[in-house]
Amino acid sequence: GEDVEQSLFLSVREGDSSVINCTYTDSSSTYLYWYKQEPGAGLQLLTYIFSNMDMKQDQRLTVLLNKKDKHLSLRIADTQTGDSAIYFCAESIQGSQGNLIFGKGTKLSVKP
Amino acid sequence: GAVVSQHPSWVICKSGTSVKIECRSLDFQATTMFWYRQFPKQSLMLMATSNEGSKATYEQGVEKDKFLINHASLTLSTLTVTSAHPEDSSFYICSALRDSHLNTEAFFGQGTRLTVV
Repeated sequence: GEDVEQSLFLSVREGDSSVINCTYTDSSSTYLYWYKQEPGAGLQLLTYIFSNMDMKQDQRLTVLLNKKDKHLSLRIADTQTGDSAIYFCAESIQGSQGNLIFGKGTKLSVKP
Repeated sequence: GAVVSQHPSWVICKSGTSVKIECRSLDFQATTMFWYRQFPKQSLMLMATSNEGSKATYEQGVEKDKFLINHASLTLSTLTVTSAHPEDSSFYICSALRDSHLNTEAFFGQGTRLTVV
């Protein structure tokens, strides 16, 4: 079945760049998403990318998609303490009426 | 990892009837659960935050009298879609927060596909 995998933890220093990686298995994915969840809060959609794109940049966020390797990454430039959160990668499977398959989330810790 | 179970996985109901969806954390206690709705080819939309023992907090634009949320125990939250209409047809997904001394993680249910005919 479909599977989305992420590393569980990432720790960086304030001001450095963070790169969160995600791999997925279903080649028919149409949309790939990054969500942020802060402690005690619900999901917040950060950005998404269509499967026919290689890169998308939005201010400090850069999403890279390697469709051949089924690899998605989220780069956060100039990471701030406010970026500390859990980041979820998710894929939307074509033909599944929009159902999302989520990774387990990567906890990003930003040290001052 | 922790397990969150939603029931039913899919349901078809007639217009005007009510449907209850359950979200259970099977191996941990969750004081906070979230209910999301997803329209076709769109991302999740947070509907409400469910807090055990207190009233749910609804996001702007979500009718609390239509989407009733009850979080009566630390392992169960329910979402009841009252007087369902075809436009309520959607994919509903819940998540539960598990707190530990190390971190707070969110675990998602598998979702419920609601079709109102």
